This record gives sequence, C-alpha cells and structure tokens, in this order.
Amino acid sequence: GENVEQHPSTLSVQEGDSAVIKCTYSDSASNYFPWYKQELGKRPQLIIDIRSNVGEKKDQRIAVTLNKTAKHFSLHITETQPEDSAVYFCAATEAAGNKLTFGGGTRVLVKP
Amino acid sequence: KAGVTQTPRYLIKTRGQQVTLSCSPISGHRSVSWYQQTPGQGLQFLFEYFSETQRNKGNFPGRFSGRQFSNSRSEMNVSTLELGDSALYLCASAVGTNTGELFFGEGSRLTVL
Repeated sequence: GENVEQHPSTLSVQEGDSAVIKCTYSDSASNYFPWYKQELGKRPQLIIDIRSNVGEKKDQRIAVTLNKTAKHFSLHITETQPEDSAVYFCAATEAAGNKLTFGGGTRVLVKP
Repeated sequence: KAGVTQTPRYLIKTRGQQVTLSCSPISGHRSVSWYQQTPGQGLQFLFEYFSETQRNKGNFPGRFSGRQFSNSRSEMNVSTLELGDSALYLCASAVGTNTGELFFGEGSRLTVL
C-alpha cells in the first residue's frame, strides 16, 4: 500500500519568513496530492491540492510542487502570518476512490 | 450549504462496549469516508462508502464496520471497544469517488475507559 513520509515534524518560523514542508510517497500509481491544515480542535481543511499531470500550483501565499520521478511534493508558504500556525498534513491517493494516505503532520509555529 | 455533520461530538465508553457514530454528508455528496486520528498513529483511513457500497477499506480489525444509507448518511460501528480505540473519528464527504477534495466534519471524540 501507499506510504507517505512528511518532514519536518515541527517547524518554527519568524513572521514574514517562508515555510517549506516536504513529503515523499511510495506508490507510483498515486495521482492526487492534497494538503490539509488543521487548527487546534478544528477539522482538517483543504488548503491546496495538485494532480499528477501538473508540476506546480499556486494560490496567493501558498504553492505546491510535485516531482513525480522522485515521488516527492512540497508545500511552500511565503510571508508567513501568525494565523498560519497549525498542523499541516500532506496526503496521497490513487486513481480509484477517495482513500487518502496521510503524512505524519507538521506542526508550524509562526512567531510574531 | 450545511457542512458535514457528525454526532455525537463527544462520548465516553468502557472497554467491551460498542459504539455507533453518525455522519451526514454535505447535500449532494455521495461519498463518505471515515478516518481515525490519534496522536501516535496520525490520520488513518478506515473505509469509504459510495452509493451504499463499501469502496475501500483500511487496515483495521473487523470490529470496525460501517454502512451507508440511501440518503448518503453513514454510520460506523466499533464493537468490543479497547483502550486503544480512543481517538477522534473524522468523517469526510465528497461529491463522488475519485473526485478530489474531501470535506471533513468536526469529528466524534471517543474516550474508552
């Protein structure tokens, strides 16, 4: 089955700096890679996603890159703000169904 | 548009008991998935239902089961509860299967004593 590794497990950045979270996956059949943000006590919410036919996707301060050959994808947050503090999860899913395999999560702390 | 609704939000059970959790997906969504979230194991897939049929199943023992009704509402059941079943159980709905974005509910937090 699919296995997703996520690094780092914790990340502390100064407000205004950039944050980068990296994930690797094992199953070359995976074709959809979402990123979820989970604030304390809240539900996971999708912040950005990318499909395997695209190399990069941007949405304001957030971007995701995908390297299919190396089987890794990354989340980039620029100009971080205190409200970016949360746990971020990467995930991967295969063509059939909505079975997401999640990474272990990255706790991001943005210091004002 | 109402979001994904899970009930109950919190519950406490004792070992050996059984529990049923309910999930009402977003109107029009036909896929419902269940995930278990724990500090040690993270987010783990339990199963997915689409049009009342189980489409995928994760690596959980047979004590974990689920079903989906014709109105797309879903229930999951855990029998013979163990201490290790204490977790946040999250339900996620999607328009269809393999359509991308999953919308999560707030979860049902189960504590097993």
